[in-house]
Amino acid sequence: DAKTTQPPSMDCAEGRAANLPCNHSTISGNEYVYWYRQIHSQGPQYIIHGLKNNETNEMASLIITEDRKSSTLILPHATLRDTAVYYCIVTTGNQFYFGTGTSLTVIP
Amino acid sequence: DAGITQSPRHKVTETGTPVTLRCHQTENHRYMYWYRQDPGHGLRLIHYSYGVKDTDKGEVSDGYSVSRSKTEDFLLTLESATSSQTSVYFCAIRLDRSMNTEAFFGQGTRLTVV
Repeated sequence: DAKTTQPPSMDCAEGRAANLPCNHSTISGNEYVYWYRQIHSQGPQYIIHGLKNNETNEMASLIITEDRKSSTLILPHATLRDTAVYYCIVTTGNQFYFGTGTSLTVIP
Repeated sequence: DAGITQSPRHKVTETGTPVTLRCHQTENHRYMYWYRQDPGHGLRLIHYSYGVKDTDKGEVSDGYSVSRSKTEDFLLTLESATSSQTSVYFCAIRLDRSMNTEAFFGQGTRLTVV
């Protein structure tokens, strides 16, 4: 039951903005979009989440389209430490459904 | 690490033996989850708990059981381990089931069944 679709891999130059897209065309009206990342084999790390408005925190910005069928996670100034697998998740309340994510490589 | 401790961090066991993994939290969060992660599959939910003695199945629950006798502990048991259960297991906690509440993950337990 893939609720989200992400490109399997992306590269980004160090210091540039990394824009990670996600499609969630079947999202329901009250479902939130969450982003997590996983560095090496560590536990997933929470980044940001939103419902329909754009959100920003100290780590990233989340842009959700008006129809809510897609979103973009923006890391404004990528560093080598941002190399990780990024997961876009739609939650149905009780559960978080993880897909296979996007492997982001930040290149020096 | 949001007050989550998983134990053991690594374990090698033989096929057919019982194995119990422990997740301990210090946050008094109501919801606790067990996921497994395998190459090509992302994280898949095994079981979750929404309170003491209240648990429910996830998408890959066959071969696993769970128990939660205290708010802070959520145990995952493999009654008779199989090689297909070789995986990395992650515990997560969440304050409540509101869709506006993030989950926090532990550092994982790497289990190898030989």
